[in-house]
Amino acid sequence: AQRVTQPEKLLSVFKGAPVELKCNYSYSGSPELFWYVQYSRQRLQLLLRHISRESIKGFTADLNKGETSFHLKKPFAQEEDSAMYYCALRADSSYKLIFGSGTRLLVRP
Amino acid sequence: GAVVSQHPSWVICKSGTSVKIECRSLDFQATTMFWYRQFPKQSLMLMATSNEGSKATYEQGVEKDKFLINHASLTLSTLTVTSAHPEDSSFYICSAKGTSGTDTQYFGPGTRLTVL
Repeated sequence: AQRVTQPEKLLSVFKGAPVELKCNYSYSGSPELFWYVQYSRQRLQLLLRHISRESIKGFTADLNKGETSFHLKKPFAQEEDSAMYYCALRADSSYKLIFGSGTRLLVRP
Repeated sequence: GAVVSQHPSWVICKSGTSVKIECRSLDFQATTMFWYRQFPKQSLMLMATSNEGSKATYEQGVEKDKFLINHASLTLSTLTVTSAHPEDSSFYICSAKGTSGTDTQYFGPGTRLTVL
């Protein structure tokens, strides 16, 4: 079964601390993984995708097929990073996404 | 660019009535739109995939006769919740994928449905 697991509902860190939001997936094929972010009172928006191998707003994520993980990392968290983060899996050519349950990141001053 | 709107942003209706929610791509053409449902403090669950000019593809467990989807143009998809009941109360979110080679989905702001 295709599944995305985000084990942490809430992650609270202080400004300047490193952040790692965990994401594990279950899929037998070759997945495409994404991180979406939803800031307060805003719509869901794409943060980054694994095939781009880019850093957006200081965030990076590496696909680890051995561990079936796609953790989101940032070395120094900022207060404006506080938001809801969703990991998503695209499992086939239909473009549909399977979302994890989300992790709320709270960056304290 | 790539803005998706939803109307209404919130709606309250009586049990047994039908409610229509619109999803529009404002500055791009969307061959494919997706409808999600999100319960409080839960993730987005895909309900159906809507392709312009063809029937929607529903996910397992989603009643197609209850959640009617129409994608009549490249910029508009509608979701009609028929004979709504309190358990249909939820946050409904649409997303749209452009016609170009990119597969990025752009999300609407969502519609809060409350059925009394």
